[in-house]
Amino acid sequence: ELQLVESGGGLVQPGGSLRLSCAASVFTVSSNYMSWVRQAPGKGLEWVSLIYSGGTTSYADSVKGRFTISRDDSKNTLYLQMNSLRAEDTAVYYCARVLPALRGDYFDYWGQGTLVTVSS
Amino acid sequence: QSVLTQPPSVSGAPGQRVTISCTGSSSNFGAGHDVHWYQHLPGTAPKLLIYGNNNRPSGVPDRFSGSKSGTSASLAITGLQAEDEADYYCQSYDSSLSGSVFGGGTKLTVL
Repeated sequence: ELQLVESGGGLVQPGGSLRLSCAASVFTVSSNYMSWVRQAPGKGLEWVSLIYSGGTTSYADSVKGRFTISRDDSKNTLYLQMNSLRAEDTAVYYCARVLPALRGDYFDYWGQGTLVTVSS
Repeated sequence: QSVLTQPPSVSGAPGQRVTISCTGSSSNFGAGHDVHWYQHLPGTAPKLLIYGNNNRPSGVPDRFSGSKSGTSASLAITGLQAEDEADYYCQSYDSSLSGSVFGGGTKLTVL
């Protein structure tokens, strides 16, 4: 069965950095669009970033310039490098596979999430 | 403040029908972008429930249905069951923001 497993979350101080990983099984990350979506405590889902199969990337304004999405094809793994972290970045981060559609992409498989806490 | 607007909560008794609304704008639904719906139990992976306005992935019961008209969309759940108690999110693409957007989520309580 298709599976996504996130790791790398934890407690980090404001201004610090963290790298999240998302290991995929059954399907090939590089052949698909992949995204990161987060959920802050008590809040709804928020799209964070997208990487297309061709390698082009896209970011929400709230993280642009601070976060970088990437992938390692040899490890079939998606990453999210998070720098200059702020308290408002505290959230559970989910990776998800994206299915492209003519009138708007959607997320067909999600991981269980990894918690990132930004606090001093 | 989410780009797509959902009611914070809805409730219904077992066997009843409930609907969850999702209101967008000219830059998402009004621009012709589809609505997709997800079911989320805290601590678990969100699950795709409806895609492309009214399509169900394999394995999703036909008790769940979706619709979209103009700048509004809705999710309907018939024959409500205790296991349906969860948070539900609508999602679309926004041309102005150049990215996916979600509703704030609606908590469904089965009485």
